[in-house]
Amino acid sequence: DTAVSQTPKYLVTQMGNDKSIKCEQNLGHDTMYWYKQDSKKFLKIMFSYNNKELIINETVPNRFSPKSPDKAHLNLHINSLELGDSAVYFCASSQGPGKQFFGPGTRLTVL
Amino acid sequence: RKEVEQDPGPFNVPEGATVAFNCTYSNSASQSFFWYRQDCRKEPKLLMSVYSSGNEDGRFTAQLNRASQYISLLIRDSKLSDSATYLCAVFTSGNTPLVFGKGTRLSVIA
Repeated sequence: DTAVSQTPKYLVTQMGNDKSIKCEQNLGHDTMYWYKQDSKKFLKIMFSYNNKELIINETVPNRFSPKSPDKAHLNLHINSLELGDSAVYFCASSQGPGKQFFGPGTRLTVL
Repeated sequence: RKEVEQDPGPFNVPEGATVAFNCTYSNSASQSFFWYRQDCRKEPKLLMSVYSSGNEDGRFTAQLNRASQYISLLIRDSKLSDSATYLCAVFTSGNTPLVFGKGTRLSVIA
């Protein structure tokens, strides 16, 4: 009965590879988010979707492409991975803007 | 000035102590304020919303000072289990994102 789940939990890959992270929420929320938390622990919004529609797209390289097949899922595909992409990626969902529920995170390491 | 600023700490306090953190925000139009808690290698979890009149949840008290543009979190009778990073988050309006501070690290020592 996990509220927000992400897979995989850990991802280790070589530079230049393409990878995807999946996220699902069973809270019935309309809005889902992707955040990146870097080594300095700064949590920064990347994307936000409301009912499958992109509403926030912060300054993120085009190599990152979110996809929301339905309002319970928000996946993140990353092309041509770079060393600087190494971070923890959190998915979150909410019904309003502030009370967000986070997934457990995906720790991405690019070698 | 950064949008949301916090003292990174660490704050090292003995069990039973009272500790307070502040978080300043730069946008006077900000509407909603929150405190999140993040344990090491875990996801952030909502601790409490911050209301204009101030609010309390057990040992935790949150306050908002609009004039000086900061929010505060007070923890009374600190427990070892309170050791974590406390992130403040500020929402302005519409489709703007929730902006998080970098967090304040608290270590409660036996």
